[in-house]
Amino acid sequence: QSVLTQPPSASGTPGQRVTISCSGSSSNIGSYYVNWYQQLPGTAPKLLIYRNNQRPSGVPDRFSGSRSGTSASLAISGLRSEDEADYYCAAWDGSLSGVVFGGGTKLTVL
Amino acid sequence: EVQLVESGGGLVQPGGSLRLSCAASGFTFSTYSMNWVRQAPGKGLEWVSYISRYSSAIYYADSVKGRFTISRDNARTSLFLQMNSLRSEDTAVYYCAREADYYDSSGHFDYWGQGTLVSVSS
Repeated sequence: QSVLTQPPSASGTPGQRVTISCSGSSSNIGSYYVNWYQQLPGTAPKLLIYRNNQRPSGVPDRFSGSRSGTSASLAISGLRSEDEADYYCAAWDGSLSGVVFGGGTKLTVL
Repeated sequence: EVQLVESGGGLVQPGGSLRLSCAASGFTFSTYSMNWVRQAPGKGLEWVSYISRYSSAIYYADSVKGRFTISRDNARTSLFLQMNSLRSEDTAVYYCAREADYYDSSGHFDYWGQGTLVSVSS
């Protein structure tokens, strides 16, 4: 059972907009930045969004992040087949004194 | 180019020990904190441990506390994870990841290695 809660799966058709939620508590998302990672099959995770809504250089602006209270969301617009991957949220947890991840969301592009 | 290359994984019996290494290059290693993150087969990511730039701050996940020890050698630009009293549930790919935030651990990992597989089985 992960500290951060994500839906196990999400799907969309090419061109659609998809959102993935990440629910936490006051000790993690409610107090600290949220980061998002994309993991393509058979590869290491890649930083997608940091500090709630910042994109590293090279990440398309189709990807965006937001945080409200103790929840966060990752939005992907103009869905493409290469977006099919696992997505994870992560944040520091002040009560656990450690980083916590969501269980991951498998995105399928239909 | 930033590179993180893990090594030291393999098959070990329950109760055994293993030492993982992560060789860093392409950046000034001593100015970045580092982490270990693992992923069990078919499962999600789990943060394992964090070490600050000069080893003054170290954190562990509860699941490994007392059994694993993180360390670093800035002169050799290397990160280590000593794993003792290994259990079957420690079976995973272990990634080293660079901490992007300067002051503390935040879950903001900007570079990852390719991972090394640790299998704990009799």
